[in-house]
Formats: sequence, structure tokens, C-alpha cells
Amino acid sequence: EADIYQTPRYLVIGTGKKITLECSQTMGHDKMYWYQQDPGMELHLIHYSYGVNSTEKGDLSSESTVSRIRTEHFPLTLESARPSHTSQYLCASSVAYSRAPQHFGDGTRLSIL
Amino acid sequence: AQRVTQPEKLLSVFKGAPVELKCNYSYSGSPELFWYVQYSRQRLQLLLRHISRESIKGFTADLNKGETSFHLKKPFAQEEDSAMYYCALGAGSQGNLIFGKGTKLSVKP
Repeated sequence: EADIYQTPRYLVIGTGKKITLECSQTMGHDKMYWYQQDPGMELHLIHYSYGVNSTEKGDLSSESTVSRIRTEHFPLTLESARPSHTSQYLCASSVAYSRAPQHFGDGTRLSIL
Repeated sequence: AQRVTQPEKLLSVFKGAPVELKCNYSYSGSPELFWYVQYSRQRLQLLLRHISRESIKGFTADLNKGETSFHLKKPFAQEEDSAMYYCALGAGSQGNLIFGKGTKLSVKP
């Protein structure tokens, strides 16, 4: 079944570690996104991609980086995690046309000790 | 600037009562508006979009360009409607969605 998958669902890790949050979709979508969301709060767009080898920064400045080597895969990396990175990270995808509705994954809840 | 405002952080109603979740937007062009819902422990999912003009789970929303609003309405709330509701604006050349801060709807028995 076509879907968007995020792993891990939960991650508790110490300060200074390198972290990669995985996001994959089997929906055939070109466009992918990463949002940061504190529980019950608004979503902030931190990265997006139009397709392979395309990455753009979103509205909220983030110390994370992303890559898009394959259409279906859009991982997010934190080189050195800090407590301020504690949050929920949501991955989404959509078809390429402007303003298309987005489909979200389950999210990764990240806690940095 | 493009902006979405959901003035109510929390809305509490009794089962069977009508519910209206407010959403106002700021955008000078032709907008696309969406409502997303997030039930407890579930992923964020699309509820409806204004161009579809359909009713999902009894909810409707009408785009009012004069008032720049896209309020979500349901005539008789059910307990299973309790969730976080986010209004989103599709605008600009990049076409990314701009989300409001969300309204938590609590339907009491």
C-alpha cells in the first residue's frame, strides 16, 4: 500500500550525537517536506525538496540538513544533537504541482538529553 | 505577508452541539485552503480542501474571500471529533502550505 514511513518513531539520545531521521514514501510523489512541531503546536517548515538533488530551506531556520538522492527517500540529519533539538519531526510528501495537499508520516519524537 | 490565524486554541462543546472552528488567512492572491486533523496518537491527515466543496465526516468549510475566512463547521458534534484541527493556506510560487497554530476541539459527552 502506498504510504509514507518515518523511522524511528521515538528516539532518546545524548547531546553531541549524530542523528539521522529517515523518511521514505511509496506514493510516487516528487515533492517532500520536513516540519518541526512541538506537541499540540503549530507546524514549522524546515526543509523541502522538489525532487532528486533538490533541497531548499523552509521558513524556520534549522541546524539540520537534508539530502535527496532518491525520489522516495528524504533523510534529515543533525550532526551534533543538542537539547534545543528536542521536538517532533514530521515528514510529508505531495505531487509536484503547486499547493498540492500534503500526506504526512507518523512523525519522529526526538528527545536530546 | 501570508498568514493563517486560528483564534481559538481550545474549543470545548457538548456532544450534539454545533461546532465552528475559525480560520482567517492573509494573502493577496488566489488562495487554496485546507483543513487538516490530528487525532490522538495518529498522524496528521487531510480533512478537506476548499476546491473539493465536499463534506467529510459531516464537516464542511466555505471559502469566503470577502472576509478572508475558511471556517470549519459541523452541525452536530460527536465525541470522536475530538482532535487538533489545523487550517492551512497554499500560496505563493513555491506552493508550500502555511499552517495555523491549530485548535484543539474537545467534545464532551
